[in-house]
Amino acid sequence: DGGITQSPKYLFRKEGQNVTLSCEQNLNHDAMYWYRQDPGQGLRLIYYSQIVNDFQKGDIAEGYSVSREKKESFPLTVTSAQKNPTAFYLCASRGDRRGEQYFGPGTRLTVT
Amino acid sequence: RKEVEQDPGPFNVPEGATVAFNCTYSNSASQSFFWYRQDCRKEPKLLMSVYSSGNEDGRFTAQLNRASQYISLLIRDSKLSDSATYLCVVNGYSGAGSYQLTFGKGTKLSVIP
Repeated sequence: DGGITQSPKYLFRKEGQNVTLSCEQNLNHDAMYWYRQDPGQGLRLIYYSQIVNDFQKGDIAEGYSVSREKKESFPLTVTSAQKNPTAFYLCASRGDRRGEQYFGPGTRLTVT
Repeated sequence: RKEVEQDPGPFNVPEGATVAFNCTYSNSASQSFFWYRQDCRKEPKLLMSVYSSGNEDGRFTAQLNRASQYISLLIRDSKLSDSATYLCVVNGYSGAGSYQLTFGKGTKLSVIP
């Protein structure tokens, strides 16, 4: 089955700890994205990568970091510098037809 | 700021009703348009692309008016399973050779028995 996987589904961390969220795709897509969704809000772009070994900041990159060492993988690290890390994090990859994106199931991060 | 604005909702409709969602976008250079569906606490899923000539997929009809920068989604014969939040999404040029999706905040639909 082709698709995007994210793990874990739920993650709990103490304040001050860095945490890395996993995102893997087997769709052979070049471009991948990380979004954050807060209750009642639209999706906001954190980082994106159009090709291996390259990535760009999105609208809310502060307190986050990414890497893109393999086409299939685009992990996101939420650092202790992120002021409000509790959120629903969604990873996506972009199809080739009209720029549509396909999402993984998401990771709910709770930091206390 | 490039934005996508949607009906605030929520929409509560009886089974079998027809319901319409509207959306406006501010970036006149936007290239492609979509409706996504998001169930509670789940990821968004692509419902349908929106084409300039309008397009239909079963009970769902999408329309685009580029001059007015307006997109619509019509759902006919609503089913209980249509209950979800519907996101209007626009793909536009964001500089440095890249296109980004801009998401509306969504409109919640509840179909009532």
